[in-house]
Amino acid sequence: DGGITQSPKYLFRKEGQNVTLSCEQNLNHDAMYWYRQDPGQGLRLIYYSQIVNDFQKGDIAEGYSVSREKKESFPLTVTSAQKNPTAFYLCATEGPTNYGYTFGSGTRLTVV
Amino acid sequence: SQQGEEDPQALSIQEGENATMNCSYKTSINNLQWYRQNSGRGLVHLILIRSNEREKHSGRLRVTLDTSKKSSSLLITASRAADTASYFCATAPIRFSGGYNKLIFGAGTRLAVHP
Repeated sequence: DGGITQSPKYLFRKEGQNVTLSCEQNLNHDAMYWYRQDPGQGLRLIYYSQIVNDFQKGDIAEGYSVSREKKESFPLTVTSAQKNPTAFYLCATEGPTNYGYTFGSGTRLTVV
Repeated sequence: SQQGEEDPQALSIQEGENATMNCSYKTSINNLQWYRQNSGRGLVHLILIRSNEREKHSGRLRVTLDTSKKSSSLLITASRAADTASYFCATAPIRFSGGYNKLIFGAGTRLAVHP
């Protein structure tokens, strides 16, 4: 069953804590993306990776970090430097045939 | 940076009616895509229209693209309560070299279809 798995679905972070959101895919897609969505708003690009061991900053990368050690995995770390991390985080992939993105079901992060 | 702007922000209709959503963008594009998002879920790709295409159909969906006006519309015909969701347009700016699309999403249109 091909797709993207994001975990956890819900995550609570304390002030000053780093947390890591998982994104795993078995679609064999090269390109992977992380977006942030705030209530009632569109998606803003945090980081993207077009190939293993390479990634690029998006529009709102400050306070976030990523790695791409395997094709299947693109974890996102929300660091303590991100002052307003409460949001819905979406991971997506794109295959080479240019038929749009495939999205995971998202992780809702809340600061407590 | 937001490129696509959907209009209206919210739309409320009765079952059986048609729903039309519009999207405007600013820069030249390779293609434009429409996505649907149910509350609290990920986005689902609906349809992609390339810059050299003017109209595309998929089931009850009809998408038009006017590159001279930098605008697109999504028409859902004979709407159903299950169509209730947010709909986003996303643009893929023209790439100067090979590579993958870095989509830019608009803020979306919230569609409510009442039984």
